[in-house]
Amino acid sequence: DAGVIQSPRHEVTEMGQEVTLRCKPISGHDYLFWYRQTMMRGLELLIYFNNNVPIDDSGMPEDRFSAKMPNASFSTLKIQPSEPRDSAVYFCASSLGRYSGANVLTFGAGSRLTVL
Amino acid sequence: AQKVTQAQTEISVVEKEDVTLDCVYETRDTTYYLFWYKQPPSGELVFLIRRNSFDEQNEISGRYSWNFQKSTSSFNFTITASQVVDSAVYFCALSEAQGAQKLVFGQGTRLTINP
Repeated sequence: DAGVIQSPRHEVTEMGQEVTLRCKPISGHDYLFWYRQTMMRGLELLIYFNNNVPIDDSGMPEDRFSAKMPNASFSTLKIQPSEPRDSAVYFCASSLGRYSGANVLTFGAGSRLTVL
Repeated sequence: AQKVTQAQTEISVVEKEDVTLDCVYETRDTTYYLFWYKQPPSGELVFLIRRNSFDEQNEISGRYSWNFQKSTSSFNFTITASQVVDSAVYFCALSEAQGAQKLVFGQGTRLTINP
């Protein structure tokens, strides 16, 4: 398996522009997570899905952020309009959900976003 | 609420030294999972280990070992005979065992191994 695939790997945009980050989870994984990593706040969970349904979006910073998972093999995280404080590395991760309890998250390589 | 504390922000040692990374956690759950992840300079997050709260046996994998002590809510990670390739940021994380699958991460410890 190719692992969790994220695109783009790097994105530089100007304040006010729309940004769309993409993720392809590992085939067969039931859970998909979006995390954000910054120096100040570390790794923080934004939202996660189970079987394509959003379960917990309490970590989404504000209405400018939205996430979708239209099918089991694709998810997007959109920021509109983007602001300089959104600059961060955004990680997508997926995990199996066949057992109760915590499963191992496999992370993508991350998307580094810079908003000027 | 769940919380993970990695008090050591940065550690720097000379190659071949042993080094221990500390992790202290807080949870009201009686059943939970603990994890360590490694983030090398390339940036990806690599899974190292998962332990459940019922298993307090120490674990050894090559030069890596983990010490889980429920009495002190700690899950420490030791690298024996460190190597330059061990240089990375190491994250400890916690997850409840029921329901949510999400991980709560500590702030990470940046480990630098000098030749």
